[in-house]
Amino acid sequence: GEDVEQSLFLSVREGDSSVINCTYTDSSSTYLYWYKQEPGAGLQLLTYIFSNMDMKQDQRLTVLLNKKDKHLSLRIADTQTGDSAIYFCAEGDDKIIFGKGTRLHILP
Amino acid sequence: NAGVTQTPKFQVLKTGQSMTLQCAQDMNHEYMSWYRQDPGMGLRLIHYSVGAGITDQGEVPNGYNVSRSTTEDFPLRLLSAAPSQTSVYFCASSFLQRRELFFGEGSRLTVL
Repeated sequence: GEDVEQSLFLSVREGDSSVINCTYTDSSSTYLYWYKQEPGAGLQLLTYIFSNMDMKQDQRLTVLLNKKDKHLSLRIADTQTGDSAIYFCAEGDDKIIFGKGTRLHILP
Repeated sequence: NAGVTQTPKFQVLKTGQSMTLQCAQDMNHEYMSWYRQDPGMGLRLIHYSVGAGITDQGEVPNGYNVSRSTTEDFPLRLLSAAPSQTSVYFCASSFLQRRELFFGEGSRLTVL
């Protein structure tokens, strides 16, 4: 079945770039997504990329997609304390499958 | 707009009891889904629906039933609760053409 894998923790110094990586198995998905979850809240869509794109930039966020390796990454430039959250990679059209989430910790 | 509304926010059940988690959205979204979130497990898809009268199973459907009689509502039923169903449940919805999921605030269920 479909599977999405991502590392569980990432620590980054404030002002540096954060890179969160994800691998997935379902190559038929039209979309791949990045969601953010802050403590005690539901998830919010950060950004998404069509499967026929290699890169998408949205202000401080850059998404890179390597379809050959089924690898998706999210880069957050100039990481701030407000970026501290859990980040989820997801893929799928009808059956949207999430990874376990990467907890991003910001060091002062 | 209220968005996606889940009720109740908290519930404690005894093993074997039944209950229904309610989910309603006012955005005219065709797609609705239920997830459970457990520590270290991320979100796991329970059931989803692409429109009224259509439902399908996700990754972990056992022990849960759903129905979609209207576009707005997508209730999740636990027929005989088990401690393994202790979790935080999230309902989400989106348009079919663009799968930007809007999530509810979650329902925390404890089964004793």
